[in-house]
Amino acid sequence: KQEVTQIPAALSVPEGENLVLNCSFTDSAIYNLQWFRQDPGKGLTSLLLIQSSQREQTSGRLNASLDKSSGRSTLYIAASQPGDSATYLCAVMTGSGYALNFGKGTSLLVTP
Amino acid sequence: EAGVAQSPRYKIIEKRQSVAFWCNPISGHATLYWYQQILGQGPKLLIQFQNNGVVDDSQLPKDRFSAERLKGVDSTLKIQPAKLEDSAVYLCASSSGGGSQPQHFGDGTRLSIL
Repeated sequence: KQEVTQIPAALSVPEGENLVLNCSFTDSAIYNLQWFRQDPGKGLTSLLLIQSSQREQTSGRLNASLDKSSGRSTLYIAASQPGDSATYLCAVMTGSGYALNFGKGTSLLVTP
Repeated sequence: EAGVAQSPRYKIIEKRQSVAFWCNPISGHATLYWYQQILGQGPKLLIQFQNNGVVDDSQLPKDRFSAERLKGVDSTLKIQPAKLEDSAVYLCASSSGGGSQPQHFGDGTRLSIL
């Protein structure tokens, strides 16, 4: 059974700092890995999707890496802003039905 | 392109009552998912449809939960009777299918059981 773990559970940083969120998974037989953002009371917004054959994806100030063999992914956020405050969820797609297995998320607070 | 639509946004009911949620996926998306997100947890898959057929419902509490996707488009998720532990956000997602395609999520329905 696929288990997804995210560290840390919560993080508070001052504006402008670069930060790294970590995700690990137990079964390397994945199709892809997605990073989502969730604002309070809202659904999930997809940030980055890394296919199993890829090593990283970039979008603006966000960079996600994937090391499938070791079961790890990182989300790097450069020059953090208060608007980045949200919960960040990591999810891996596995199984014949392509369902997502999620971690519990990292709650990020960026202070002005 | 219009996103995944869900209604209602919020619902408050007493335990043992019934409730239903509705989802309209992105046009043309054959695959539809219902997830349950309990406070402080990541979403957990309840049921997955491919067109109007069920692909995976192994984590659906079938004694109280039911779901259907008639005509392979809209879907409804029902809980009857509700228990206190069903308090959660119910998220609907859709995908064009396959392991390379992302899932797109609606804003969810927040259910509170009193």
